[in-house]
Amino acid sequence: QVQLVQSGAEVKKPGASVKVSCKASGYTFTGYYMHWVRQAPGQGLEWMGRINPNSGGTNFAQKFQGRVTITRDTSISTAYMELSRLTSDDTAVYYCARGVVVPAAVGFWFDPWGQGTLVTVSS
Amino acid sequence: DIQMTQSPSSLSASVGDRVTITCRASQSISSYLNWYQQKPGKAPKLLIYAASSLQSGVPSRFSGSGSGTDLTLTISSLQPEDFATYYCQQSYSTPFTFGPGTKVDIK
Repeated sequence: QVQLVQSGAEVKKPGASVKVSCKASGYTFTGYYMHWVRQAPGQGLEWMGRINPNSGGTNFAQKFQGRVTITRDTSISTAYMELSRLTSDDTAVYYCARGVVVPAAVGFWFDPWGQGTLVTVSS
Repeated sequence: DIQMTQSPSSLSASVGDRVTITCRASQSISSYLNWYQQKPGKAPKLLIYAASSLQSGVPSRFSGSGSGTDLTLTISSLQPEDFATYYCQQSYSTPFTFGPGTKVDIK
Protein backbone atom coordinates (compact mmCIF):
# COMPACT_ATOMS: atom_id res chain seq x y z
CA GLN A 1 0.00 0.00 0.00
CA VAL A 2 1.05 3.59 -0.49
CA GLN A 3 2.88 4.76 2.61
CA LEU A 4 5.01 7.67 3.78
CA VAL A 5 7.23 7.09 6.81
CA GLN A 6 8.93 10.06 8.43
CA SER A 7 11.94 10.34 10.67
CA GLY A 8 11.64 10.69 14.42
CA ALA A 9 11.10 13.62 16.73
CA GLU A 10 13.78 16.27 17.05
CA VAL A 11 14.72 18.81 19.71
CA LYS A 12 16.73 21.76 18.50
CA LYS A 13 18.12 24.97 19.94
CA PRO A 14 17.17 28.36 18.52
CA GLY A 15 19.29 29.24 15.51
CA ALA A 16 19.92 25.61 14.58
CA SER A 17 18.65 23.69 11.56
CA VAL A 18 16.57 20.53 11.34
CA LYS A 19 16.27 17.99 8.53
CA VAL A 20 13.25 15.70 8.35
CA SER A 21 13.06 12.72 6.03
CA CYS A 22 10.06 11.10 4.37
CA LYS A 23 10.43 7.63 2.83
CA ALA A 24 7.85 6.65 0.25
CA SER A 25 6.77 3.14 -0.65
CA GLY A 26 4.05 1.44 -2.64
CA TYR A 27 4.15 3.75 -5.66
CA THR A 28 6.51 5.29 -8.21
CA PHE A 29 8.28 7.99 -6.21
CA THR A 30 9.12 10.15 -9.21
CA GLY A 31 5.53 10.21 -10.43
CA TYR A 32 4.06 12.51 -7.77
CA TYR A 33 5.00 15.81 -6.15
CA MET A 34 5.89 15.62 -2.48
CA HIS A 35 4.63 18.43 -0.26
CA TRP A 36 5.50 19.56 3.25
CA VAL A 37 2.87 20.90 5.64
CA ARG A 38 3.33 21.90 9.25
CA GLN A 39 1.02 22.26 12.24
CA ALA A 40 1.95 24.23 15.34
CA PRO A 41 0.54 22.96 18.65
CA GLY A 42 -3.22 23.48 18.73
CA GLN A 43 -3.15 25.31 15.42
CA GLY A 44 -4.15 24.70 11.81
CA LEU A 45 -2.29 23.38 8.79
CA GLU A 46 0.26 25.44 6.89
CA TRP A 47 1.69 24.53 3.49
CA MET A 48 5.43 25.04 3.28
CA GLY A 49 6.51 23.87 -0.13
CA ARG A 50 6.82 21.01 -2.60
CA ILE A 51 9.29 19.15 -4.74
CA ASN A 52 8.94 17.45 -8.09
CA PRO A 53 10.90 14.26 -7.37
CA ASN A 54 11.44 13.69 -11.08
CA SER A 55 13.14 17.01 -11.84
CA GLY A 56 14.08 18.18 -8.37
CA GLY A 57 12.27 21.46 -8.97
CA THR A 58 10.82 23.14 -5.89
CA ASN A 59 8.26 25.76 -4.91
CA PHE A 60 7.95 27.36 -1.49
CA ALA A 61 5.53 29.54 0.40
CA GLN A 62 6.89 33.07 0.53
CA LYS A 63 6.96 32.87 4.32
CA PHE A 64 9.65 30.17 4.21
CA GLN A 65 11.69 31.38 1.22
CA GLY A 66 15.38 31.40 2.03
CA ARG A 67 14.94 29.28 5.13
CA VAL A 68 13.61 25.97 3.80
CA THR A 69 15.24 23.48 1.48
CA ILE A 70 13.46 20.47 0.02
CA THR A 71 15.50 17.75 -1.65
CA ARG A 72 15.07 14.14 -2.66
CA ASP A 73 17.07 10.97 -3.21
CA THR A 74 15.31 8.97 -5.88
CA SER A 75 17.53 5.93 -5.29
CA ILE A 76 15.87 5.40 -1.91
CA SER A 77 12.50 7.08 -2.62
CA THR A 78 13.03 9.63 0.10
CA ALA A 79 12.29 13.34 0.34
CA TYR A 80 13.86 15.72 2.82
CA MET A 81 12.85 19.03 4.30
CA GLU A 82 15.46 21.17 6.00
CA LEU A 83 14.50 24.28 7.94
CA SER A 84 17.21 26.65 9.13
CA ARG A 85 17.49 29.50 11.65
CA LEU A 86 14.94 27.88 13.90
CA THR A 87 12.95 29.87 16.45
CA SER A 88 10.37 28.81 19.01
CA ASP A 89 7.69 29.65 16.43
CA ASP A 90 8.94 26.70 14.38
CA THR A 91 7.90 24.23 17.07
CA ALA A 92 5.38 22.11 15.20
CA VAL A 93 4.55 18.74 13.72
CA TYR A 94 5.90 18.54 10.19
CA TYR A 95 4.12 16.35 7.67
CA CYS A 96 5.05 15.17 4.22
CA ALA A 97 2.15 14.44 1.89
CA ARG A 98 1.95 13.09 -1.63
CA GLY A 99 0.25 15.37 -4.14
CA VAL A 100 -2.20 13.39 -6.26
CA VAL A 101 -3.52 14.42 -9.65
CA VAL A 102 -5.93 12.46 -11.84
CA PRO A 103 -6.95 13.37 -15.39
CA ALA A 104 -10.67 13.48 -14.68
CA ALA A 105 -10.48 15.89 -11.74
CA VAL A 106 -9.27 19.43 -11.26
CA GLY A 107 -6.39 20.38 -9.07
CA PHE A 108 -4.55 18.02 -6.75
CA TRP A 109 -4.92 16.72 -3.21
CA PHE A 110 -2.78 15.38 -0.42
CA ASP A 111 -2.95 11.61 -0.03
CA PRO A 112 -1.52 9.94 1.90
CA TRP A 113 0.22 11.86 4.64
CA GLY A 114 3.21 10.81 6.65
CA GLN A 115 2.73 10.17 10.35
CA GLY A 116 4.28 13.52 11.24
CA THR A 117 7.53 14.55 12.90
CA LEU A 118 7.48 16.73 15.99
CA VAL A 119 10.18 19.37 15.97
CA THR A 120 10.63 21.19 19.26
CA VAL A 121 12.74 24.34 19.36
CA SER A 122 13.84 25.21 22.86
CA SER A 123 16.87 26.67 24.57
CA ASP B 1 -2.45 34.54 -1.54
CA ILE B 2 -5.92 33.01 -1.42
CA GLN B 3 -7.38 33.25 2.07
CA MET B 4 -9.65 30.44 3.23
CA THR B 5 -12.22 30.80 5.98
CA GLN B 6 -14.49 28.18 7.52
CA SER B 7 -17.75 28.43 9.38
CA PRO B 8 -18.53 27.59 11.98
CA SER B 9 -15.18 27.34 13.77
CA SER B 10 -16.72 24.72 16.04
CA LEU B 11 -20.01 22.98 16.53
CA SER B 12 -21.61 20.55 18.92
CA ALA B 13 -23.83 17.88 17.43
CA SER B 14 -25.46 14.58 18.28
CA VAL B 15 -25.09 11.21 16.64
CA GLY B 16 -27.47 11.12 13.70
CA ASP B 17 -27.44 14.87 13.10
CA ARG B 18 -26.89 16.39 9.69
CA VAL B 19 -23.84 18.64 9.78
CA THR B 20 -22.81 21.27 7.24
CA ILE B 21 -19.47 23.08 7.19
CA THR B 22 -18.84 25.97 4.83
CA CYS B 23 -15.51 27.00 3.33
CA ARG B 24 -15.16 30.43 1.74
CA ALA B 25 -12.28 31.51 -0.50
CA SER B 26 -11.11 35.09 -0.93
CA GLN B 27 -11.37 34.65 -4.70
CA SER B 28 -12.93 32.11 -7.00
CA ILE B 29 -11.22 28.73 -6.86
CA SER B 30 -13.68 26.89 -9.11
CA SER B 31 -13.72 23.31 -7.81
CA TYR B 32 -10.08 23.28 -6.68
CA LEU B 33 -11.06 22.41 -3.12
CA ASN B 34 -10.37 19.43 -0.91
CA TRP B 35 -11.63 18.39 2.53
CA TYR B 36 -9.68 16.57 5.23
CA GLN B 37 -10.55 15.07 8.60
CA GLN B 38 -8.07 15.15 11.44
CA LYS B 39 -8.30 13.40 14.79
CA PRO B 40 -6.11 14.33 17.76
CA GLY B 41 -2.54 13.15 17.38
CA LYS B 42 -3.11 11.86 13.86
CA ALA B 43 -2.29 13.04 10.38
CA PRO B 44 -5.11 14.51 8.29
CA LYS B 45 -7.10 12.11 6.14
CA LEU B 46 -8.52 12.99 2.71
CA LEU B 47 -12.32 12.88 2.51
CA ILE B 48 -13.36 14.83 -0.58
CA TYR B 49 -11.29 16.04 -3.55
CA ALA B 50 -12.11 18.43 -6.36
CA ALA B 51 -15.02 19.83 -4.34
CA SER B 52 -17.36 16.88 -4.69
CA SER B 53 -15.51 13.63 -5.40
CA LEU B 54 -15.57 11.12 -2.57
CA GLN B 55 -12.22 9.55 -1.80
CA SER B 56 -12.18 5.77 -2.05
CA GLY B 57 -13.03 4.12 1.25
CA VAL B 58 -14.71 7.19 2.75
CA PRO B 59 -18.31 6.59 3.86
CA SER B 60 -21.02 7.93 1.59
CA ARG B 61 -22.49 10.05 4.40
CA PHE B 62 -19.75 12.56 3.52
CA SER B 63 -20.41 14.79 0.54
CA GLY B 64 -19.03 17.99 -0.91
CA SER B 65 -20.65 20.63 -3.05
CA GLY B 66 -20.24 24.10 -4.43
CA SER B 67 -17.77 25.95 -6.62
CA GLY B 68 -16.36 29.42 -6.93
CA THR B 69 -15.95 31.01 -3.52
CA ASP B 70 -18.41 29.08 -1.34
CA LEU B 71 -18.05 25.34 -0.90
CA THR B 72 -19.64 22.96 1.55
CA LEU B 73 -18.93 19.70 3.33
CA THR B 74 -21.97 17.79 4.56
CA ILE B 75 -22.17 14.81 6.88
CA SER B 76 -25.64 13.40 6.39
CA SER B 77 -25.86 11.43 9.63
CA LEU B 78 -23.10 12.04 12.14
CA GLN B 79 -21.48 8.92 13.56
CA PRO B 80 -19.36 8.60 16.74
CA GLU B 81 -16.17 8.24 14.69
CA ASP B 82 -16.84 11.54 12.90
CA PHE B 83 -16.04 13.71 15.89
CA ALA B 84 -12.89 15.44 14.66
CA THR B 85 -11.59 18.64 13.10
CA TYR B 86 -12.28 19.28 9.42
CA TYR B 87 -10.11 21.39 7.12
CA CYS B 88 -10.64 22.67 3.60
CA GLN B 89 -7.66 23.28 1.30
CA GLN B 90 -7.44 25.03 -2.04
CA SER B 91 -5.22 23.72 -4.84
CA TYR B 92 -5.97 26.59 -7.24
CA SER B 93 -2.73 28.48 -6.72
CA THR B 94 0.38 28.60 -4.55
CA PRO B 95 0.62 28.85 -1.63
CA PHE B 96 -1.87 26.03 -1.25
CA THR B 97 -3.74 27.35 1.75
CA PHE B 98 -5.95 25.63 4.28
CA GLY B 99 -8.96 26.87 6.15
CA PRO B 100 -8.56 27.32 9.93
CA GLY B 101 -10.56 24.20 10.69
CA THR B 102 -13.97 23.30 12.12
CA LYS B 103 -14.02 21.22 15.27
CA VAL B 104 -17.01 18.91 15.56
CA ASP B 105 -17.65 17.61 19.05
CA ILE B 106 -20.32 15.75 20.93
CA LYS B 107 -23.34 17.64 22.24
